[in-house]
Amino acid sequence: GESVGLHLPTLSVQEGDNSIINCAYSNSASDYFIWYKQESGKGPQFIIDIRSNMDKRQGQRVTVLLNKTVKHLSLQIAATQPGDSAVYFCAETFSNDYKLSFGAGTTVTVRA
Amino acid sequence: EAGVTQFPSHSVIEKGQTVTLRCDPISGHDNLYWYRRVMGKEIKFLLHFVKESKQDESGMPNNRFLAERTGGTYSTLKVQPAELEDSGVYFCASSHTGMDGYTFGSGTRLTVV
Repeated sequence: GESVGLHLPTLSVQEGDNSIINCAYSNSASDYFIWYKQESGKGPQFIIDIRSNMDKRQGQRVTVLLNKTVKHLSLQIAATQPGDSAVYFCAETFSNDYKLSFGAGTTVTVRA
Repeated sequence: EAGVTQFPSHSVIEKGQTVTLRCDPISGHDNLYWYRRVMGKEIKFLLHFVKESKQDESGMPNNRFLAERTGGTYSTLKVQPAELEDSGVYFCASSHTGMDGYTFGSGTRLTVV
């Protein structure tokens, strides 16, 4: 079967390397997924989203992958920079609901 | 355009006291949400207003929490009496319709001692 990454509460990355952050979501009815970045003293900031009719979406230096079979979401950050240090949360919802359900969060620390 | 504003940014109160948190949504956003992150855990939904009406308050922990949005503009979240386990960061968010413009404020860090 296809392997998926485990969710880790913390991730330490060398500057310039790629980061992969994993998230398992809970509700098979969810059809809309978002990755948020939370820096110290700030609220969650939107990074990228994906709908359930897609399995991959790319933004600037970020890519989100969705595997509905195993209810898994990942965020890939290319060429990680010091400014990427933050807590990253995945969130899920479905089209007729505005309530977000968040994952546990991964604290990313970028080493110089 | 001003974002979602929350006040105060920090609050330290003693157990048993009352605290009121305020959220000013983005102008024109009918939807307003409260969330909470307890130390080191995930962010959890508390409730959702559409204008002045409570659409969903399924996440409110207990009756010590009271949220209001009189006039459909700003909202307050009152905790009375506060308990130690209420400590955490309280986030407010607002949106125009659905997920359109869904924006979070910077949060209020509440510490109950």
